[in-house]
Amino acid sequence: GEDVEQSLFLSVREGDSSVINCTYTDSSSTYLYWYKQEPGAGLQLLTYIFSNMDMKQDQRLTVLLNKKDKHLSLRIADTQTGDSAIYFCAESIYNQGGKLIFGQGTELSVKP
Amino acid sequence: NAGVMQNPRHLVRRRGQEARLRCSPMKGHSHVYWYRQLPEEGLKFMVYLQKENIIDESGMPKERFSAEFPKEGPSILRIQQVVRGDSAAYFCASSPGTGNTEAFFGQGTRLTVV
Repeated sequence: GEDVEQSLFLSVREGDSSVINCTYTDSSSTYLYWYKQEPGAGLQLLTYIFSNMDMKQDQRLTVLLNKKDKHLSLRIADTQTGDSAIYFCAESIYNQGGKLIFGQGTELSVKP
Repeated sequence: NAGVMQNPRHLVRRRGQEARLRCSPMKGHSHVYWYRQLPEEGLKFMVYLQKENIIDESGMPKERFSAEFPKEGPSILRIQQVVRGDSAAYFCASSPGTGNTEAFFGQGTRLTVV
C-alpha cells in the first residue's frame, strides 16, 4: 500500500542545518516533493525530485533520495527563524494522475 | 496570474447544515484535486477532477460528500448534513495536466462544525 512516514518534531538553533527525514513504501513513486506550511496558511511547494535522481540542490535546500531504502531527506542549510513551519513530504504514484500521498508533517522549530 | 483561489477562507456551519467550498484553479489549469487536513494530521487525498469529469474519487467518504468541476466556474466540494467530524481544513490544488510535476495549492477553507 501507499504510506509516507515522517518524524513529528525537530528543533534546531538558528544558523544550524536542519535535516527532515521521510520514508515511503510505494516503489512506483514518480516524483517526491517537499512542501512547507506556515500556521493558518496553504502549502508552498519548496522542491521536488524525480525518482531516478539521488540528489537535488536548490540554494539552501538539498534533497537526498535513497530509492533502495525508500528514504527521502530535506536539508536546510543555515536555518533561520523564518523557516519555522510544518514540512510535508509527498509522493506521486505512477499511473494515478497527479494525486499526492502526504506524510503527517514534521514541525520544525528554530530557536534564536 | 492569480494563484489557486479558495473561498470562503473560514466557514462555520451547524450540525445538519450544508457546506459548499469553492476552488478556482490557476489560469490554464484543467486538473483540480481536493485534500482534507484533520487537526494535527497530514493531507489526505479526496478527489481528482478534470472539467466536467470525476477522474478519481477514491478518497471521498461514501455519503454526504460530492464534488464537481463544471465547464464554467469553480470546482465545488459539497458536504451535506455536516457533522462535528467534518471540521477540518480543505485544500484544493490545481495543475495543467497529469504529466506536470507541480501542483499549486490554495490557502484552504477551514470548516468548523458547531
